Amino acid sequence: SQTIHQWPATLVQPVGSPLSLECTVEGTSNPNLYWYRQAAGRGLQLLFYSVGIGQISSEVPQNLSASRPQDRQFILSSKKLLLSDSGFYLCAWSGHFNSPLHFGNGTRLTVT
Amino acid sequence: KQEVTQIPAALSVPEGENLVLNCSFTDSAIYNLQWFRQDPGKGLTSLLLIQSSQREQTSGRLNASLDKSSGRSTLYIAASQPGDSATYLCAVRYGNKLVFGAGTILRVKS
Repeated sequence: SQTIHQWPATLVQPVGSPLSLECTVEGTSNPNLYWYRQAAGRGLQLLFYSVGIGQISSEVPQNLSASRPQDRQFILSSKKLLLSDSGFYLCAWSGHFNSPLHFGNGTRLTVT
Repeated sequence: KQEVTQIPAALSVPEGENLVLNCSFTDSAIYNLQWFRQDPGKGLTSLLLIQSSQREQTSGRLNASLDKSSGRSTLYIAASQPGDSATYLCAVRYGNKLVFGAGTILRVKS
């Protein structure tokens, strides 16, 4: 069966520090991978998605970037965090377009 | 612009009641629609997926319907239980992307 791992679960970082969140998927190949952010009291905002190694689409201009160095690994990064980067970050994967989306457990990021 | 709206924003019901959550979308050119459950501080758990060619899907006490032409979906929960308390989100897939509603916060009182 397929599983998705996301870490860390919680993170507190000072303003201006770098960020690296990692997500890996097991039990499938060539998944579509996604990063979402959920701000308090708001819906899910799609940040990045990837349909293959090295292929990244950005949905929202911002202080973040994403990379996919391996087929089942998706990394969310920032060089310098802002207060507004605080939120709940969720990684997700799906197969082809008609298959369901599956989420990881999320990372709660607090920028102080 | 592709938008997804969920009504009501919050709902509180006594245990045992049947209830309906609503989801509407502005662009009917969808691939599928998916209902999720989110517990506080947790990720999203997939409940039901309805393809654009389907009218409904059922899983246990849950039944989801889809009317693509009118841009609507409903999630029916039968015989609600306190363990059903959570936020329920619907998401509409357009190609590579899913657009989410803001969710309905459900509280089932024992």
